[in-house]
Amino acid sequence: GEDVEQSLFLSVREGDSSVINCTYTDSSSTYLYWYKQEPGAGLQLLTYIFSNMDMKQDQRLTVLLNKKDKHLSLRIADTQTGDSAIYFCADVYRASKIIFGSGTRLSIRP
Amino acid sequence: DGGITQSPKYLFRKEGQNVTLSCEQNLNHDAMYWYRQDPGQGLRLIYYSQIVNDFQKGDIAEGYSVSREKKESFPLTVTSAQKNPTAFYLCASSIPATGTGELFFGEGSRLTVL
Repeated sequence: GEDVEQSLFLSVREGDSSVINCTYTDSSSTYLYWYKQEPGAGLQLLTYIFSNMDMKQDQRLTVLLNKKDKHLSLRIADTQTGDSAIYFCADVYRASKIIFGSGTRLSIRP
Repeated sequence: DGGITQSPKYLFRKEGQNVTLSCEQNLNHDAMYWYRQDPGQGLRLIYYSQIVNDFQKGDIAEGYSVSREKKESFPLTVTSAQKNPTAFYLCASSIPATGTGELFFGEGSRLTVL
């Protein structure tokens, strides 16, 4: 079956860039997503990338997709304390089922 | 404003009791979902419904039940058969498959079994 994997923790200094990585196994994915979850809350869609794109930039966020290696990354420039959250990578498996990674908890140190 | 409302936000249950978590949406979405979140395990799909009066089991449906009598409502019952029910439960909805597949989430319900 489909699997989406992420590392569990990332710590960065305020003002530095954060890079969160994700690998997936389904080669038929149409969209890949990044969701953000703040403490005690639901998830919100942060950004998504269509599978025929290599890169998508939206203000401080850059998404890179390497289809050959099935690798997705989210870069947050100039990381701020408000970026502290859990970030989930998600993939649409066989065009119908959304599979989430385990989530990467991003913590910001001064 | 449109959105998804889950209630209650916190719920305590004694062992052997059934509890029902409410999920209501006014987004006019056809599809609704229930996920369970445990630390370090991401989100696991419990049940989903793509249309009124129809629903399917997800990956971890045992010990749970749902109903979809109205488009805007998708309640989840955690039964006494669920062996480890303490978790954070998330309800979500989505527009039909012609969209990007984005899920819209509620704020979650945290269930603790005493």
